[in-house]
Amino acid sequence: GENVEQHPSTLSVQEGDSAVIKCTYSDSASNYFPWYKQELGKRPQLIIDIRSNVGEKKDQRIAVTLNKTAKHFSLHITETQPEDSAVYFCAASWSSGYSTLTFGKGTMLLVSP
Amino acid sequence: KAGVTQTPRYLIKTRGQQVTLSCSPISGHRSVSWYQQTPGQGLQFLFEYFSETQRNKGNFPGRFSGRQFSNSRSEMNVSTLELGDSALYLCASRGTGPNTGELFFGEGSRLTVL
Repeated sequence: GENVEQHPSTLSVQEGDSAVIKCTYSDSASNYFPWYKQELGKRPQLIIDIRSNVGEKKDQRIAVTLNKTAKHFSLHITETQPEDSAVYFCAASWSSGYSTLTFGKGTMLLVSP
Repeated sequence: KAGVTQTPRYLIKTRGQQVTLSCSPISGHRSVSWYQQTPGQGLQFLFEYFSETQRNKGNFPGRFSGRQFSNSRSEMNVSTLELGDSALYLCASRGTGPNTGELFFGEGSRLTVL
């Protein structure tokens, strides 16, 4: 089955800095890669996703890049703000099984003012 | 539009008991999936239901089961509870159609097994 590794497990940055979280996956059949943000005590929420026919996707301060050859994808957050502090999860799936996500173990991002 | 609703939000059980958790998806969503969240293992897929049929099942023992009703509401059941079953159980619903990948999670049911 699919295995997703996520690094780092914790990341501390100063407000205004950039943050990068990296994930690798094992199943070459995976072609859908979402990122979820979970604030303390709240439900996970999708922040951005990318499909394998695209190498990069941006949405304001966040971007995701995908390297299918190397089987890794990354989340980039620019101009971080304290409200970006949360746990971020990457995940992988195949298009016919969007609900069957294999998640990484999460990265706790702490943005200090 | 109401979000995904899970009940109960918190519950405490003892080893050997069984528990049933309920999930009401977003109106119109026919896919319901369940995930177990623990500090050590993160989010792990349990199963997915679509139109009352189990479509996929994760790597969990047979003590974990679920079902979906004709109105898309879903329940999951854990029998013969073990201490390691203590976790946050998250339900998520998804719309249908191409490129509809977003999962909408409920707030979860936090199960403590003593």
